[in-house]
Amino acid sequence: NAGVTQTPKFQVLKTGQSMTLQCAQDMNHEYMSWYRQDPGMGLRLIHYSVGAGITDQGEVPNGYNVSRSTTEDFPLRLLSAAPSQTSVYFCASRSDSSSYNEQFFGPGTRLTVL
Amino acid sequence: AQSVTQLDSHVSVSEGTPVLLRCNYSSSYSPSLFWYVQHPNKGLQLLLKYTSAATLVKGINGFEAEFKKSETSFHLTKPSAHMSDAAEYFCVVTLTSSGYALNFGKGTSLLVTP
Repeated sequence: NAGVTQTPKFQVLKTGQSMTLQCAQDMNHEYMSWYRQDPGMGLRLIHYSVGAGITDQGEVPNGYNVSRSTTEDFPLRLLSAAPSQTSVYFCASRSDSSSYNEQFFGPGTRLTVL
Repeated sequence: AQSVTQLDSHVSVSEGTPVLLRCNYSSSYSPSLFWYVQHPNKGLQLLLKYTSAATLVKGINGFEAEFKKSETSFHLTKPSAHMSDAAEYFCVVTLTSSGYALNFGKGTSLLVTP
């Protein structure tokens, strides 16, 4: 199993550009989520999905869109990038059976918005 | 509402001495609690998790944590620090009663000196 994969690893955008961060998992997990990590802030939840076709907002959803058309994929879209979205983005997945199950994290995407 | 507070942003220990990383939580429900570790420029790895089966939880690499409901604490300890333990540590509590979303503490940076 590849686990949770993210592409790209690094990205530089100009203000106003749009892009999609890709996330895929091959563990047949129902639950997937996106976090951003900023210095001194820990990880903050952006959006999450409890299954295909079902998404919900997390703590910091503004400026981001998500959709979940398949169990495997959960892309994160930046509609109009802003410097405040410069961050490291992590995708995670978890099986649905228990709240005690760990989340598996991808390696992250480091995004810089100029 | 659930929240988590890591009481120290930085901890410095000498190699071979004990490690204590402190975490307090608040939760309206029975919490699911985790400790994750992040080495520099890496993703997050699960150290250990509280599953309600036992209050003393053993994790990987010699770490353990004790769940104390009366003190709402879940401190992470290790008897003897190793240089490879230098990393960022995150205490995590679930955000909802279903355990889907995670609420991260702001992290504790552990420095291990020779």
